[in-house]
Amino acid sequence: QSALTQPRSVSGSPGQSVTISCTGTSSDVGAYNFVSWYQQHPGTAPKLLIYDVSERPSGVPDRFSGSKSGNTASLTISGLQPEDEAEYYCCSYAGTSTYVFGPGTNVAVL
Amino acid sequence: VQLVESGGGLVQPGGSLRLSCTASGFTFGTYPMAWVRQAAGKGLEWISYITIESGTIYYADSVKGRFTISRDNAKNSLYLQLNSLRAEDTAIYFCAREGSLDPYFDYWGHGTLVTVSS
Repeated sequence: QSALTQPRSVSGSPGQSVTISCTGTSSDVGAYNFVSWYQQHPGTAPKLLIYDVSERPSGVPDRFSGSKSGNTASLTISGLQPEDEAEYYCCSYAGTSTYVFGPGTNVAVL
Repeated sequence: VQLVESGGGLVQPGGSLRLSCTASGFTFGTYPMAWVRQAAGKGLEWISYITIESGTIYYADSVKGRFTISRDNAKNSLYLQLNSLRAEDTAIYFCAREGSLDPYFDYWGHGTLVTVSS
């Protein structure tokens, strides 16, 4: 159960777009369309942002979008807002009800 | 939907703890559940999963043989028994609800801190 790979940090100015990559293997990200993304502000619980690669739960702003190509999934934040400054984790289903997370990406709003 | 963890604390290496997660606001017995942990300053780590009737259970290799997940649907509660604890088990432990149809975690508790230290 090796962790997924994410950049340690990304940054952008308000209104800009940023994209976070999440690279796995043919056994997890590449095998299933079950990639999810979570936002976590310091000291709080993770919050579901994206599920099934590109689906948004109700209440999540449409500036958050997800995609996948091969073994790499991506989260794009369009029109960056100050409140988007947080840690973002990708997660992939890895078969037989197991999951693997990425190490997290810190998004800084400059 | 609310998930509230409890039972964390300070324990010596080799010791045991039992974590609880009390659910409300939804029909607990119709959702699979999981435990996910996070060491200080580190990322999230999935550690265990249980189906709605406890018929299927899985563990991450890092805790297999030491941790036991269980649930009591009548009490709307999820549990995690932690045995043979190690320093590297020190973390915040979150319970999380799995999506009703697909594998993702749609609701999380705020976590309970487990510290393993002598």
